[in-house]
Amino acid sequence: GENVEQHPSTLSVQEGDSAVIKCTYSDSASNYFPWYKQELGKGPQLIIDIRSNVGEKKDQRIAVTLNKTAKHFSLHITETQPEDSAVYFCAASGPGYSSASKIIFGSGTRLSIRP
Amino acid sequence: EAEVAQSPRYKITEKSQAVAFWCDPISGHATLYWYRQILGQGPELLVQFQDESVVDDSQLPKDRFSAERLKGVDSTLKIQPAELGDSAMYLCASSLVVERELFFGEGSRLTVL
Repeated sequence: GENVEQHPSTLSVQEGDSAVIKCTYSDSASNYFPWYKQELGKGPQLIIDIRSNVGEKKDQRIAVTLNKTAKHFSLHITETQPEDSAVYFCAASGPGYSSASKIIFGSGTRLSIRP
Repeated sequence: EAEVAQSPRYKITEKSQAVAFWCDPISGHATLYWYRQILGQGPELLVQFQDESVVDDSQLPKDRFSAERLKGVDSTLKIQPAELGDSAMYLCASSLVVERELFFGEGSRLTVL
């Protein structure tokens, strides 16, 4: 089955600097890669996603890149702000309507923004 | 804004007792998921429903866990008997279409003593 590895597990950056979180996946059939943000005491919330037919996607200060050949994808947050402090999860999912389509999460990165 | 409702938010129980969690997905969401999140780890899928049918329960410990979604709307996850290792956050999520955005509830935090 699919395995998603995420690093670093913790990341501290100065406010205004950029943060990068990296993930690798094992199943070459995976074609959907979402990123979720989890704030304390809440459930994860989708912040951006990318499909395998796209190499990069951007939404304001957040961007995701995908390298299908190397089977890795990354989240980039620019101009970080205090409200970006949270735990971020990458995930991967296969195609179709079967057990292959279940979304497998990475272990998470706790991002802290220093004032 | 529509939300996924879960209850209870917190549950403390002793080992060998039975516990149950309830989830009401966003109206119209046919797909419902139960995830378990151990502190410091990512969510792990326990069971996935499409309407009232189980699509995937390969990671559900069926000797003690059960899940149902009888009318294809709300769902119940039961643990009997609870063990110390079951202490975790139990998250429910729903989606319109498989492999698209998951909408999570705030979770039910279980502590087994």
